[in-house]
Amino acid sequence: AQSVTQLGSHVSVSEGALVLLRCNYSSSVPPYLFWYVQYPNQGLQLLLKYTTGATLVKGINGFEAEFKKSETSFHLTKPSAHMSDAAEYFCAVSDRDSNYQLIWGAGTKLIIKP
Amino acid sequence: GAGVSQTPSNKVTEKGKYVELRCDPISGHTALYWYRQSLGQGPEFLIYFQGTGAADDSGLPNDRFFAVRPEGSVSTLKIQRTERGDSAVYLCASSSSPGQGAFFGQGTRLTVV
Repeated sequence: AQSVTQLGSHVSVSEGALVLLRCNYSSSVPPYLFWYVQYPNQGLQLLLKYTTGATLVKGINGFEAEFKKSETSFHLTKPSAHMSDAAEYFCAVSDRDSNYQLIWGAGTKLIIKP
Repeated sequence: GAGVSQTPSNKVTEKGKYVELRCDPISGHTALYWYRQSLGQGPEFLIYFQGTGAADDSGLPNDRFFAVRPEGSVSTLKIQRTERGDSAVYLCASSSSPGQGAFFGQGTRLTVV
């Protein structure tokens, strides 16, 4: 069965530093890949997604993610962290031959140090 | 509205009572999901509808939980004989295709006292 691993339940970076949040999936067939962000006391917001085509996808708020088939990864990055990026980030995947079911990572809490 | 709407936003109920949580998905979205989320945790899958039918209800914790989507649009999550352990934020999401991902509502915060 498909599984999603997010390395690091908490990631702390300084304001202005590079943000790197890791996500790996388990299936040999590349699924649809998503990153969601959840700000405190708010719902989940779709940050970006990969379905097909260009492996580097850009999302909202300056975030981007790169699909690497050989590494079964979909890591999320942002060149320069801002205080407003502090939130919980979830990676999710959906198998292409399945229904709409989403498989979720456990989440990574991003902490921004001033 | 343009997004997924959930009502109420907050619900406080006494242990043993019955509650209904409503989700109004994005118009035209055939897939609808219910999740619940406890503090500091990721979304926990409850049930997924494709149209009017429950395509996967394997996440419902027990028979006190039930959900319906009679006309393939609005869905109601029903919890009987609520327990304090049911306290959580209940999230609803909808989708029009697997590659689109799911769009979430703001959630209903359920507190059982």
